[in-house]
Amino acid sequence: NAGVTQTPKFQVLKTGQSMTLQCAQDMNHNSMYWYRQDPGMGLRLIYYSASEGTTDKGEVPNGYNVSRLNKREFSLRLESAAPSQTSVYFCASGTANTEAFFGQGTRLTVV
Amino acid sequence: GDSVTQMEGPVTLSEEAFLTINCTYTATGYPSLFWYVQYPGEGLQLLLKATKADDKGSNKGFEATYRKETTSFHLEKGSVQVSDSAVYFCALSKGGGFQKLVFGTGTRLLVSP
Repeated sequence: NAGVTQTPKFQVLKTGQSMTLQCAQDMNHNSMYWYRQDPGMGLRLIYYSASEGTTDKGEVPNGYNVSRLNKREFSLRLESAAPSQTSVYFCASGTANTEAFFGQGTRLTVV
Repeated sequence: GDSVTQMEGPVTLSEEAFLTINCTYTATGYPSLFWYVQYPGEGLQLLLKATKADDKGSNKGFEATYRKETTSFHLEKGSVQVSDSAVYFCALSKGGGFQKLVFGTGTRLLVSP
């Protein structure tokens, strides 16, 4: 099983550029999540989708948008990248009573 | 708001040493508590969990007990191996499924032969 797949694995953007991080899961999970990981700060929730067709803000949503394209896919978009968005981004999925299953992460650098 | 506090790292140990990584939390109500592990270059994996007070989670020789009286969930292992070198995250969740997590800052463990 592939589990949670994120693309791309690495990306360098210039300030002001836009990009979309892709996430897909093949475990038939209802819920999907985007986190960012920064040194000394652990992981922080950006946005989540409790079920297909719904999305909600997490702790640090500013500068991001999300789309729950279908049950499998949950994308994260940066409309105008800023250096403060340099981070490692993790997608996760699960159901109401299961652990979170994480992807391998996308390392994004904004210069 | 809810928060998780972990001991600063890195924690450096020799193989077969005893490990403790401290974790305390602040939350209203009755959160579920987790330890996640992140090996180099990988995503996070659930190591163990406890969903109510006095529960003990265990996996791969690691243990942690949910102590509501001290709001703690310390991670322990009796004899660490080089392969345990990783970053360990303590986390809590309150409703909304087990994936809407509040994480601690992580503790890096380095085990030398």
